[in-house]
Amino acid sequence: DGGITQSPKYLFRKEGQNVTLSCEQNLNHDAMYWYRQDPGQGLRLIYYSQIVNDFQKGDIAEGYSVSREKKESFPLTVTSAQKNPTAFYLCASSPRTGGGETQYFGPGTRLLVL
Amino acid sequence: AQKVTQAQTEISVVEKEDVTLDCVYETRDTTYYLFWYKQPPSGELVFLIRRNSFDEQNEISGRYSWNFQKSTSSFNFTITASQVVDSAVYFCALSEHGSGNTGKLIFGQGTTLQVKP
Repeated sequence: DGGITQSPKYLFRKEGQNVTLSCEQNLNHDAMYWYRQDPGQGLRLIYYSQIVNDFQKGDIAEGYSVSREKKESFPLTVTSAQKNPTAFYLCASSPRTGGGETQYFGPGTRLLVL
Repeated sequence: AQKVTQAQTEISVVEKEDVTLDCVYETRDTTYYLFWYKQPPSGELVFLIRRNSFDEQNEISGRYSWNFQKSTSSFNFTITASQVVDSAVYFCALSEHGSGNTGKLIFGQGTTLQVKP
């Protein structure tokens, strides 16, 4: 079964702690994306990657970091610099980058601050 | 500037009613793409449809239909004979085709649809 997996489903962060959200896809897609969703709002782009070993900041990258060492993996780290990390995080992928490509989403990770 | 507006925050209908979800967009590009996604309570976004700016034909897929009108910058979504399983948050999104485009999706705020039995 091809698809996108995200783990964990729920994640709790203590003050000053860095946490990493996992995103894996077996769709052989080149492009991967991270979005943040706050209650009652649409999704906002955090980071995206067009190809292995390359990634770009989105609209709200401050306090986050990513890596793309493998085509199928695009982990997101929420650093202690992110002062309001409580949100629902969604990872997506598309066959290629560029306008018009359909993005397919994973099941999401809900991050809560203790 | 690009923007997507879903003015209906919440809609509640009784099963078997028809319901239309509105989506209005703004873009300066002549080539762009519009999407609808469904977000059930589980949280995962499910892709429903993609439409490019040069194709204004309406589309029907089972109980779902989409009306794209460039003249009013709208891409509305109608569910016919709604069912309880249609209860979800629905997002309209825009992607532009300009040079250097990232493929970023610009989302509306979403419309929460509740279908009561």
